[in-house]
Amino acid sequence: QKEVEQDPGPLSVPEGAIVSLNCTYSNSAFQYFMWYRQYSRKGPELLMYTYSSGNKEDGRFTAQVDKSSKYISLFIRDSQPSDSATYLCAMSKAAGNKLTFGGGTRVLVKP
Amino acid sequence: DAGVIQSPRHEVTEMGQEVTLRCKPISGHDYLFWYRQTMMRGLELLIYFNNNVPIDDSGMPEDRFSAKMPNASFSTLKIQPSEPRDSAVYFCASSFRASNQPQHFGDGTRLSIL
Repeated sequence: QKEVEQDPGPLSVPEGAIVSLNCTYSNSAFQYFMWYRQYSRKGPELLMYTYSSGNKEDGRFTAQVDKSSKYISLFIRDSQPSDSATYLCAMSKAAGNKLTFGGGTRVLVKP
Repeated sequence: DAGVIQSPRHEVTEMGQEVTLRCKPISGHDYLFWYRQTMMRGLELLIYFNNNVPIDDSGMPEDRFSAKMPNASFSTLKIQPSEPRDSAVYFCASSFRASNQPQHFGDGTRLSIL
């Protein structure tokens, strides 16, 4: 079993809909949680970065961490075609430490 | 500020040849990471450095792989001899731990071994 599980999708939604993504993990030592967006033939781009449990909002993006359930989520409001990409969750035990990634969820936002 | 810079962006070579991938981290960052991405295994950490010193190379698949960081501005990942199963996208990332900042990635080197 992988340390971090993520549904590969693809997840197809109409423009303007809310995109809901999530990851589960097994290692309780993870303290830092990240969401990256990756466009085709590009490197992962950091979207959200949170420490421990709680919510964080940045524009159209909201990240949630529930350490008791070992479950993290990313919500994208008012989705746009430009949001079409692969979304990767990642986590680490310490700041600046090596990341363990989920397999990524491919998202397609249709105009 | 310039991001993480990797070269070459694409590399196609024949089995058995030596391959060298290069990375310039973001200025001031003290951590550097090398990852490999494949369809089957996703993103996997190969090795990471702190202040130019290798900290964890447990992800390096075989002795054919080696990585160096001669100074704070440059790192290489070398494969010798290369094999078709090494075909993947190799990413370099850097971070600055003192400010609890996350890792920032380059755009990768797409490696094809024929």
